Parts: sequence; C-alpha cells; structure tokens
Amino acid sequence: AQTVTQSQPEMSVQEAETVTLSCTYDTSESDYYLFWYKQPPSRQMILVIRQEAYKQQNATENRFSVNFQKAAKSFSLKISDSQLGDAAMYFCAYRSAWEYGNKLVFGAGTILRVKS
Amino acid sequence: EAGVAQSPRYKIIEKRQSVAFWCNPISGHATLYWYQQILGQGPKLLIQFQNNGVVDDSQLPKDRFSAERLKGVDSTLKIQPAKLEDSAVYLCASSLGPGGSYGYTFGSGTRLTVV
Repeated sequence: AQTVTQSQPEMSVQEAETVTLSCTYDTSESDYYLFWYKQPPSRQMILVIRQEAYKQQNATENRFSVNFQKAAKSFSLKISDSQLGDAAMYFCAYRSAWEYGNKLVFGAGTILRVKS
Repeated sequence: EAGVAQSPRYKIIEKRQSVAFWCNPISGHATLYWYQQILGQGPKLLIQFQNNGVVDDSQLPKDRFSAERLKGVDSTLKIQPAKLEDSAVYLCASSLGPGGSYGYTFGSGTRLTVV
C-alpha cells in the first residue's frame, strides 16, 4: 500500500518570503500522480498543484512550484512571495495511475502560518 | 458550474445515536467518494462509488457505517450507532471518472461531534 509522509506539522513564513513544504511517499508503482491540496478553515480542499510521475519537468502554477525527485520519492512544494491568504493546512497526496478505484492517499498535513 | 454540495455543515449527537450525511456531486460526475478526516490527520477514504456501484469500501467500518448512491447521483452516508471516535469531518468528492487523470472536486464537508 502507498503511504505519504509530511514531516513538518507546522511551518511559519513572513509575508513576501518563500517557504518550502516537504513530502515523501512510498510506492512500488512507476506511474502515478502527486498533488498538493490546500485546506483553509472553510474545510474545502482546494487543488494547488499536480504532478504526473512520467513527466520530469517540475509543475508550476504562478507562485507555487514543486521539486519532484522520483528516485528519492520526494515531492516538496515551494510557495514564493507568500501572502496572508496562503495560510492554511496543506496536504500532499498520492494517486495511482493504474488502479480502477484510485483513491487519493493523503499525508497528515502541514499547517502553514503567514506572518505580516 | 455548481460545486459538490454537502449537508448538514455541522452535527452534534450523543454516542449510540444515528446520523446521516448527504452529498450532491457535480452534475455528470460518475465517481463519488466519501472521506473521513479526523482532527490532525489527512483524509482517509471510506467508500468510492462508480455510478451507483461500490468500487472500494475496504476501509468502511461496515458494522456501523453504511452508504448508498441513489440512481448514481446523490449519496448518503449513515452511522448507526455512533461512537466517540467517529468525531471527524466527513468530506464528499466527485470526479468525471475513476481514472488517475481525472481531478477531484471536494465539498466543504460535515463536521460531526459525538459526545
């Protein structure tokens, strides 16, 4: 079974600075998807960024980018120019490309606090 | 497009009582998921439907939890009888299909407190 580990329970960043959230995962599969989700106090999970394992190029979405290291099974999220609205819980998640019932497997999450 | 609708938003019940949650997915989304998110943890899949059939319910505590998806659209998740450890946020999500390339859309969840 796949597992996702987020080793940082909480992180803080100064507004306009850059912060990196860590994620490692364990799988025996070669094809899969990795995601970062943001969960604000409203509880709704919002997709931040997605990476296909077969793509070597790291995904980028505006101020959000990832560092995907397939061999190391590492998938970190970098938030540049942090804004107050970025404060939330962030979850790393894994999804198999092959299983019919391909559920998302989540890490335990990292609380991100943004200081003004 | 309208998002995934869930109700109620909050529910407080006493242990051993029953409770039901409702989810209306995005129109046309064939796949529907129920996740349980205990405080301080990531969401965990309880059950996945493809249209009105169950694809994965391996982590559903079937002695107390049940779920159905009426006519392949709305879904209801029920707990009977509830235990203290069932206190959690119950998230519903839907996607166009079960394949890995399809994105999920989540609802805002129901926060259940069992006292």
